[in-house]
Amino acid sequence: AQSVSQHNHHVILSEAASLELGCNYSYGGTVNLFWYVQYPGQHLQLLLKYFSGDPLVKGIKGFEAEFIKSKFSFNLRKPSVQWSDTAEYFCAVWFSSGSARQLTFGSGTQLTVLP
Amino acid sequence: DGGITQSPKYLFRKEGQNVTLSCEQNLNHDAMYWYRQDPGQGLRLIYYSQIVNDFQKGDIAEGYSVSREKKESFPLTVTSAQKNPTAFYLCAAGGTEAFFGQGTRLTVV
Repeated sequence: AQSVSQHNHHVILSEAASLELGCNYSYGGTVNLFWYVQYPGQHLQLLLKYFSGDPLVKGIKGFEAEFIKSKFSFNLRKPSVQWSDTAEYFCAVWFSSGSARQLTFGSGTQLTVLP
Repeated sequence: DGGITQSPKYLFRKEGQNVTLSCEQNLNHDAMYWYRQDPGQGLRLIYYSQIVNDFQKGDIAEGYSVSREKKESFPLTVTSAQKNPTAFYLCAAGGTEAFFGQGTRLTVV
């Protein structure tokens, strides 16, 4: 079965530190890749997505992610985090096989940014 | 105003009762999904439907049931067989990306 792994469950950083959150998936077929963010008390928001083309994608709020097909990875990065980036981050992979589609989420990474 | 509408926002249920969560979409997507969100476990797929009158079990389907009689509607029933139903439930619809509803928080009292 397809799966998505986020190995960092809780990350604590100081403001201005650089961020990288890992995401790996297990599936050799066609995928679309997403990062979602959920701020405290709020709903899921799409940060960025990758369908095809340039493997380095830029999203909202200064986030970017790089798709490395050979490593089945889609890591999220931000050069300098802010206190307002404190949130839970979810990697999601849309698996396609024939006419079947399934969107699978990782377990999430809680990011805490200290002022 | 369009998108995915989930109702109610908050729901309380007594143990042993079935309860149905509503999900409606006006985005004309064929595929619809139900997820359950628990702290530290992310979003886990309960059921999904690719087309009307067809649906598939996800990773944690036990104790849940769904129907897909209309393209725009995908209700989820939490049955008394679900041992730990208190959670936040999210409905989604989409083609190559998913659009989410606001969620329903179910509490068993």
